[in-house]
Amino acid sequence: KNEVEQSPQNLTAQEGEFITINCSYSVGISALHWLQQHPGGGIVSLFMLSSGKKKHGRLIATINIQEKHSSLHITASHPRDSAVYICAVLYSGTYKYIFGTGTRLKVLA
Amino acid sequence: NAGVTQTPKFQVLKTGQSMTLQCAQDMNHNSMYWYRQDPGMGLRLIYYSASEGTTDKGEVPNGYNVSRLNKREFSLRLESAAPSQTSVYFCASSELWGHLNYGYTFGSGTRLTVV
Repeated sequence: KNEVEQSPQNLTAQEGEFITINCSYSVGISALHWLQQHPGGGIVSLFMLSSGKKKHGRLIATINIQEKHSSLHITASHPRDSAVYICAVLYSGTYKYIFGTGTRLKVLA
Repeated sequence: NAGVTQTPKFQVLKTGQSMTLQCAQDMNHNSMYWYRQDPGMGLRLIYYSASEGTTDKGEVPNGYNVSRLNKREFSLRLESAAPSQTSVYFCASSELWGHLNYGYTFGSGTRLTVV
């Protein structure tokens, strides 16, 4: 069992739909990151969370430290949102990151 | 454009061949990393260089060597390639060691196939 689990693994949505991607982890962490990997392979950081909620444009990320769970929401999804979304957690007291296996999102026009 | 540049983008090797993956960053970052990404698994750290002149093993260092040539460049060498090293390799850099939030920047990846 991976220490960082993402669900779903694959997701297909119609343009305009509200999308939720989940990340659960089993260790104590000091931060959680959401990353986006484009079809061409490039990886960019979207959010860093240690508590609460952050919003950037149509993207919203939340974290519940007690439940060891984070969600990434995409409102009014668009085909350009098609990518792999990766959750990464930073172990408490270390600089060690554990990466989830990613959620492959495809948004159809 | 500022960023992390990896070469080559694609490579096919025969078992036993050697090769070096090159990585360069122009953001004056102190720390650099090599990861591999395999189907069904998250990114795994192979080696890292927290600062110029230092290198350390990550989670999966066996079969690899690295060189931090200067502050800009960090290369990954496969001395005798094996099919198990078929993967997509990512180089990354950051201003501060281990901090994804401090301008952590990934290269576009090298897809390596060992036959």
